[in-house]
Amino acid sequence: DTGVSQDPRHKITKRGQNVTFRCDPISEHNRLYWYRQTLGQGPEFLTYFQNEAQLEKSRLLSDRFSAERPKGSFSTLEIQRTEQGDSAMYLCASSLGAHEQYFGPGTRLTVT
Amino acid sequence: GESVGLHLPTLSVQEGDNSIINCAYSNSASDYFIWYKQESGKGPQFIIDIRSNMDKRQGQRVTVLLNKTVKHLSLQIAATQPGDSAVYFCAEIGRGSQGNLIFGKGTKLSVKP
Repeated sequence: DTGVSQDPRHKITKRGQNVTFRCDPISEHNRLYWYRQTLGQGPEFLTYFQNEAQLEKSRLLSDRFSAERPKGSFSTLEIQRTEQGDSAMYLCASSLGAHEQYFGPGTRLTVT
Repeated sequence: GESVGLHLPTLSVQEGDNSIINCAYSNSASDYFIWYKQESGKGPQFIIDIRSNMDKRQGQRVTVLLNKTVKHLSLQIAATQPGDSAVYFCAEIGRGSQGNLIFGKGTKLSVKP
């Protein structure tokens, strides 16, 4: 296993369009996290799954955002009706248990 | 407000010198801390972690110190190399939380050859 992977690495979209990102965690990891990072800032927590159950969502996750992990393996993060303020790096991390989260390379979203 | 912060936004060191990156946290209930390294355009890379029942932990060329009395965390990098140039974040997990990390803003380490 080569670690957490994310696809696409870059996405440019027009305001109002929907986008979907995918994360493939480290295979034996039961926990999966989504974070958002803007330039010059640390990552901010968005949501977290344990297996297929979404157990926690941040207040940052507006109604336009939805995340799924249907079979407890890969996860998708969808943003509907994108806004310019959604431009950021979207990071996925996975862990076995509550600690030692390993991050993927991120998906950089640019909303024009 | 942020629970985790950093004392210095930038740090410049000479190759071969030791680096010390500091971090202050405000949540005394936090019981797990991690240092991450992030290079430009990449995701954060796990460096070392420490639990609140410890005050020191060593890895390969890195040492993390935790002072719970003053709520201070530091990362020491021995014999700093050009490849260590990156932004370093400390992050914490609060006791009883689901495991979501709270990050500070980061310190940019620049290593001069």
